[in-house]
Amino acid sequence: DQQVKQNSPSLSVQEGRISILNCDYTNSMFDYFLWYKKYPAEGPTFLISISSIKDKNEDGRFTVFLNKSAKHLSLHIVPSQPGDSAVYFCAAEKTSYDKVIFGPGTSLSVIP
Amino acid sequence: NAGVTQTPKFQVLKTGQSMTLQCAQDMNHNSMYWYRQDPGMGLRLIYYSASEGTTDKGEVPNGYNVSRLNKREFSLRLESAAPSQTSVYFCASSGREGRYNQPQHFGDGTRLSIL
Repeated sequence: DQQVKQNSPSLSVQEGRISILNCDYTNSMFDYFLWYKKYPAEGPTFLISISSIKDKNEDGRFTVFLNKSAKHLSLHIVPSQPGDSAVYFCAAEKTSYDKVIFGPGTSLSVIP
Repeated sequence: NAGVTQTPKFQVLKTGQSMTLQCAQDMNHNSMYWYRQDPGMGLRLIYYSASEGTTDKGEVPNGYNVSRLNKREFSLRLESAAPSQTSVYFCASSGREGRYNQPQHFGDGTRLSIL
């Protein structure tokens, strides 16, 4: 049973528009959430994170929103650029534990 | 900075053969991890090591063993490879700030095919 779900395997967006990637989790003990980005033939790289005490965290073109009551988070990319085309993994953990649980990923294609 | 280095990058094995995947990090991180990535499954944790001298099972440990040789190196061994272990394997490491884990740094992966 997946504790972190990304229900959209793929997403296509026009360059300059907003990309919204969604993630749901089932374990209410999770209190820290991360997004990683992965290009083909490379390892994932950390993109942005959010603690459960916040509902929004912004870093340049990337914003993560957290809705704890719905156990839902989303990553907004504005404006989307062709270089953003990659697989995005949502991940969740409980602070002070060593395990991080990853979702299955969403493949984003930004069309020029 | 090399970050996390995995060797080899590619490997083809026959069923029943054994193999050790190597991983080394130069960031002085305490924690190291081994994941496998399969289509539609995301990254699943095989084993992890919170500090030198300790190892713990993750979600999918069966068929694997690990060794935390020192703070830098964490190896993953397949004793008798099976076709179900065909996957891309990623090693990662992370540090800590107090009680908080820092984001993980990943290697570029080992693509393993078992025939």
